[in-house]
Amino acid sequence: ETGVTQSPTHLIKTRGQQVTLRCSSQSGHNTVSWYQQALGQGPQFIFQYYREEENGRGNFPPRFSGLQFPNYSSELNVNALELDDSALYLCASSLTGRGTYNEQFFGPGTRLTVL
Amino acid sequence: RKEVEQDPGPFNVPEGATVAFNCTYSNSASQSFFWYRQDCRKEPKLLMSVYSSGNEDGRFTAQLNRASQYISLLIRDSKLSDSATYLCVVNAYSGNTPLVFGKGTRLSVIA
Repeated sequence: ETGVTQSPTHLIKTRGQQVTLRCSSQSGHNTVSWYQQALGQGPQFIFQYYREEENGRGNFPPRFSGLQFPNYSSELNVNALELDDSALYLCASSLTGRGTYNEQFFGPGTRLTVL
Repeated sequence: RKEVEQDPGPFNVPEGATVAFNCTYSNSASQSFFWYRQDCRKEPKLLMSVYSSGNEDGRFTAQLNRASQYISLLIRDSKLSDSATYLCVVNAYSGNTPLVFGKGTRLSVIA
């Protein structure tokens, strides 16, 4: 196991509602990245948090927002849910350090269904 | 053009077969390359990193051709447990840039 946990594991919402997904990073990691994986697709980068600041964002609208806390855990918030938001949401934790690439370890994901 | 493109699949092969996955990437600045494995309804897991010199891990061999922007994964002597989706992943390292995933190629190994 990677030591990265996510909650909840499954969630059903209706269009227009808001949702908060949570991620606890691996011990010692300071960076959390969020990805959306639609059915039959590869994961797509939403955004990344490093030391409580957003540190890069993919092609997702502003209704996707996030937070990182002092203990490096993170939340993903989605407002005004749309049917196309139905997907597996993955968080990945890593340690950002100068001059090296550090492996991203994925959590088990939260499966969101929007009806 | 998608940043990372893979064979569409699915691949259905008998046990013991050799299977090859191909992948191309569009960003010539990409620095790090990986193959991830994803089982049904599970998270992606790193299978192996890919180096220009090529690398092997048991039955798995990965190759990178930077000039052609092409990555491959070869699985020899396929096992039933190899059934999964294989994701080609690149990272344009400049600090801590995100992973860019291909769509994945599904492999089913049949007894």
